[in-house]
Amino acid sequence: GAVVSQHPSWVICKSGTSVKIECRSLDFQATTMFWYRQFPKQSLMLMATSNEGSKATYEQGVEKDKFLINHASLTLSTLTVTSAHPEDSSFYICSARPLLDEQFFGPGTRLTVL
Amino acid sequence: QKEVEQNSGPLSVPEGAIASLNCTYSDRGSQSFFWYRQYSGKSPELIMSIYSNGDKEDGRFTAQLNKASQYVSLLIRDSQPSDSATYLCAVNPGLTGGGNKLTFGTGTQLKVEL
Repeated sequence: GAVVSQHPSWVICKSGTSVKIECRSLDFQATTMFWYRQFPKQSLMLMATSNEGSKATYEQGVEKDKFLINHASLTLSTLTVTSAHPEDSSFYICSARPLLDEQFFGPGTRLTVL
Repeated sequence: QKEVEQNSGPLSVPEGAIASLNCTYSDRGSQSFFWYRQYSGKSPELIMSIYSNGDKEDGRFTAQLNKASQYVSLLIRDSQPSDSATYLCAVNPGLTGGGNKLTFGTGTQLKVEL
């Protein structure tokens, strides 16, 4: 299967700071990547669709000014959580799609905001 | 509202038995269907994809799709303790359903007992 990486794998930050998470497709190009959030014992929630060279498409209820997405190249998308607060603590996972519509997930980033 | 429904479980099966996981979806126009395995604290891993009615086998896994009845299932033969995880059903509603975004079920927790 296709390989997707994320960095960092975990991050702890103080309330009010911004955190950037990188998602890379290692062995394929991805014009579209997806960002999900998962709270403990809950299912995946799609936050936004990241489109290379254009603006991201956010799901209803997701604040675009708080969760900044930049898809700068065909192999890299970044999610920046701005002015993070404890309620933003979650497991953030990206995915990418090399062929058809099979999505492959990165290993995830666990964010803890103190 | 496009929905994907799964029994949350836990589904407990003895080692060596067949585990049967079921999923129903509401959008009749859905085009493609996926099963992901998610271990606790990890990101989802793609196990199977299925696009047409019938069975698709890959090793110990068999996916079954019945579009008329709008259900998809996953059978795991010779279940092993390492199969213990949460299994997520995901459906791509196709272009009429919002593009290539996946809709996930809440997952079924499988426990394989020694």
